Amino acid sequence: AQSVTQPDIHITVSEGASLELRCNYSYGATPYLFWYVQSPGQGLQLLLKYFSGDTLVQGIKGFEAEFKRSQSSFNLRKPSVHWSDAAEYFCAVASSGTYKYIFGTGTRLKVLA
Amino acid sequence: DGGITQSPKYLFRKEGQNVTLSCEQNLNHDAMYWYRQDPGQGLRLIYYSQIVNDFQKGDIAEGYSVSREKKESFPLTVTSAQKNPTAFYLCASSTQGADLYGYTFGSGTRLTVV
Repeated sequence: AQSVTQPDIHITVSEGASLELRCNYSYGATPYLFWYVQSPGQGLQLLLKYFSGDTLVQGIKGFEAEFKRSQSSFNLRKPSVHWSDAAEYFCAVASSGTYKYIFGTGTRLKVLA
Repeated sequence: DGGITQSPKYLFRKEGQNVTLSCEQNLNHDAMYWYRQDPGQGLRLIYYSQIVNDFQKGDIAEGYSVSREKKESFPLTVTSAQKNPTAFYLCASSTQGADLYGYTFGSGTRLTVV
């Protein structure tokens, strides 16, 4: 069955520290992978996406993610976290030609001043 | 600016009532979606529509109904048959290339049963 796992429910980092949020997927075909961010009480905003080509993709707000097929992972990274990055982050996967996504359960990021 | 508008932002429902959540988009997107979000459960798909006058059930459609009479609009009705409707509801839209371009989300409606 298709699935997306975000193993960390909560992560706390200090402002200026590096960040890595984990995402593992289970998918038979070549996946289309996404990271979204959600501020409290708001909708989701697309950070970045991968569907082919270079396995390291750059997104908005200084985020990047690396697709590793051998590990079925698509981890999100940021070299230096800002207080405004505190939010919930969702990984999602879709297959080619489909309209339906499978979302992970989210990772809530707290940033310490 | 183009976007998705969900209204109201907060909605309270009494037991046994039907309520309708509005979702309007001016992005000229073909596809629209309704997701339910509960703490610790991520997003679960309720209904989606790829074209006008057509829609499909998602993973948790029971107790919900939708219509797609116009390209811009995809209202969701939470019926009295939905036993646990308290949640955050998100509407989204996409072009036909949702796998390539991703979704655009509205800002959500928080529904509470009183």
